[in-house]
Amino acid sequence: GAGVSQSPSNKVTEKGKDVELRCDPISGHTALYWYRQSLGQGLEFLIYFQGNSAPDKSGLPSDRFSAERTGGSVSTLTIQRTQQEDSAVYLCASSLQEGNTIYFGEGSWLTVV
Amino acid sequence: AQSVAQPEDQVNVAEGNPLTVKCTYSVSGNPYLFWYVQYPNRGLQFLLKYITGDNLVKGSYGFEAEFNKSQTSFHLKKPSALVSDSALYFCAVRDVKNDYKLSFGAGTTVTVRA
Repeated sequence: GAGVSQSPSNKVTEKGKDVELRCDPISGHTALYWYRQSLGQGLEFLIYFQGNSAPDKSGLPSDRFSAERTGGSVSTLTIQRTQQEDSAVYLCASSLQEGNTIYFGEGSWLTVV
Repeated sequence: AQSVAQPEDQVNVAEGNPLTVKCTYSVSGNPYLFWYVQYPNRGLQFLLKYITGDNLVKGSYGFEAEFNKSQTSFHLKKPSALVSDSALYFCAVRDVKNDYKLSFGAGTTVTVRA
């Protein structure tokens, strides 16, 4: 596609449920990122994938968060046993390779009630 | 560790006046510097970047930014602001030595009044 595509665009879930957020990067982009944007917290790095290398998971806030990238393209961010503090916008981004401009998707707005 | 500071939470200007959004950074090596804009309920849009070369970088929508190594700054400027420039602006930095992780400032909300 023309840009980074994320789904769902909005998700309301009950506390304790699991959620999956999907990201489809720009075609040909080898690097993929997940960031979280919380109200008043700015942008927080979560995880980075580059090709077939081991991902950098250093930003994941707890073991309830995990992410995978299948076939070097689509990525899924999974949050298990959601808590109210997980409510945020989850932004996916991709770039052609390390060092190039990172392009962001429109985000998945998660609300945990 | 790399970091970015945007000292102003909000900037208010009148339409037609110059707009400046300030950014300073800290990295251990040479920086890659970026500006992004976020409109309400939207993702981040890339505006411009400095990698190397000319210190004055021109980007989308008439914006430009000047890299100042001695002051470790990368301020965003527009000579004549429009009401449609009202948005949230983020400065970001990458360290050349750790060049995949982008660190963001807290953001500056720009309001341009008619």
